[in-house]
Amino acid sequence: GAGVSQSPRYKVAKRGQDVALRCDPISGHVSLFWYQQALGQGPEFLTYFQNEAQLDKSGLPSDRFFAERPEGSVSTLKIQRTQQEDSAVYLCASSFGGRRLAGTVRGEQYFGPGTRLTVT
Amino acid sequence: EDQVTQSPEALRLQEGESSSLNCSYTVSGLRGLFWYRQDPGKGPEFLFTLYSAGEEKEKERLKATLTKKESFLHITAPKPEDSATYLCAVRPNFGNEKLTFGTGTRLTIIP
Repeated sequence: GAGVSQSPRYKVAKRGQDVALRCDPISGHVSLFWYQQALGQGPEFLTYFQNEAQLDKSGLPSDRFFAERPEGSVSTLKIQRTQQEDSAVYLCASSFGGRRLAGTVRGEQYFGPGTRLTVT
Repeated sequence: EDQVTQSPEALRLQEGESSSLNCSYTVSGLRGLFWYRQDPGKGPEFLFTLYSAGEEKEKERLKATLTKKESFLHITAPKPEDSATYLCAVRPNFGNEKLTFGTGTRLTIIP
């Protein structure tokens, strides 16, 4: 694909609802990352996949957060029983993780537009 | 623990007025330092990667430099379209590819 896409772009959830955020990485990219960005802050790492394997989930703030990438391409970040402190922009990024593809640079992460989650 | 500190938090410049943004970092062996630009409501857009002290990279009005403790993003004769938040991030030698970001510098160029 032309770039990383995320859906939905905006999500409003009532406290206690479950939400699912989707990420479509750049085609052929092996590595996929989820970050959380609070207003006025830099992105903070949540979790990382290499193909379908979740290699690092140390940044997930609680066991209410769960991410998967079952076929090594599309990924879903799920948040159960949302709380107000979960309100943030959730960013997905991908990198080729070893194979250089035309138009990309080794090691660089390319970000999607983000999903803005508001919990009321 | 890896740390990235960016300064200033915000910077307002007149069009054409050159300046520099600072990124200080502490990391257990640097594998790469990354600069991104972020516009409101959008995801970060990749600008540069620097790998070793003394390295410099340029793109249009931007030039990024790296020392063992900090990086600078120099902006020469900026235009209003350069207004954005500029983010710095580091990737350590050990561990996975995750990036540690600073809080960014919000740059405003006044016509």
